[in-house]
Amino acid sequence: EADIYQTPRYLVIGTGKKITLECSQTMGHDKMYWYQQDPGMELHLIHYSYGVNSTEKGDLSSESTVSRIRTEHFPLTLESARPSHTSQYLCASKKGSVEKLFFGSGTQLSVL
Amino acid sequence: QRVTQPEKLLSVFKGAPVELKCNYSYSGSPELFWYVQYSRQRLQLLLRHISRESIKGFTADLNKGETSFHLKKPFAQEEDSAMYYCALKDYGGSQGNLIFGKGTKLSVKP
Repeated sequence: EADIYQTPRYLVIGTGKKITLECSQTMGHDKMYWYQQDPGMELHLIHYSYGVNSTEKGDLSSESTVSRIRTEHFPLTLESARPSHTSQYLCASKKGSVEKLFFGSGTQLSVL
Repeated sequence: QRVTQPEKLLSVFKGAPVELKCNYSYSGSPELFWYVQYSRQRLQLLLRHISRESIKGFTADLNKGETSFHLKKPFAQEEDSAMYYCALKDYGGSQGNLIFGKGTKLSVKP
């Protein structure tokens, strides 16, 4: 079934750990995005990609990094997690110039 | 560019009219959207102004003079309870990304 998948759904880790949040889509979309959202706040774009080997930083500065080696896969990595990284991370994708974003279920990250 | 949703929470009774406010700042011709997140579901597109459509009884009209894109429904239903986000297409650095407001939580009481 065509969908966008995010794992894990919830993650609680200790400070200093390296983590990777997974995002995959089987919708044939070329553009993929990572948003960060704190409770009661707006979604902020932290990374986006328009295709394989293309990644850009978004409007909100983030210590995370992303890669796009395959069209369907857009993982986000934090080399050394800190409590300030505690947030919800949403992955989204869309096709070309079609103005409709499809969102994953999100990963709620808590860094202790 | 900025999107402002002045109400964090809007509570109405079933059958009452509802208006979720959205104001934007952009000097050109904006492209605006409403996204909705129902409980335990994903964020999804509700409607976009360019389509001039009505989805689930909701409509939104672009008012350039007031730089607003308010979401309206004449008779609210309990299933309309959700988080609503207004979004503006970003014509700046991130090439067509969306700028979101903080969202308004709509609660429709029976």
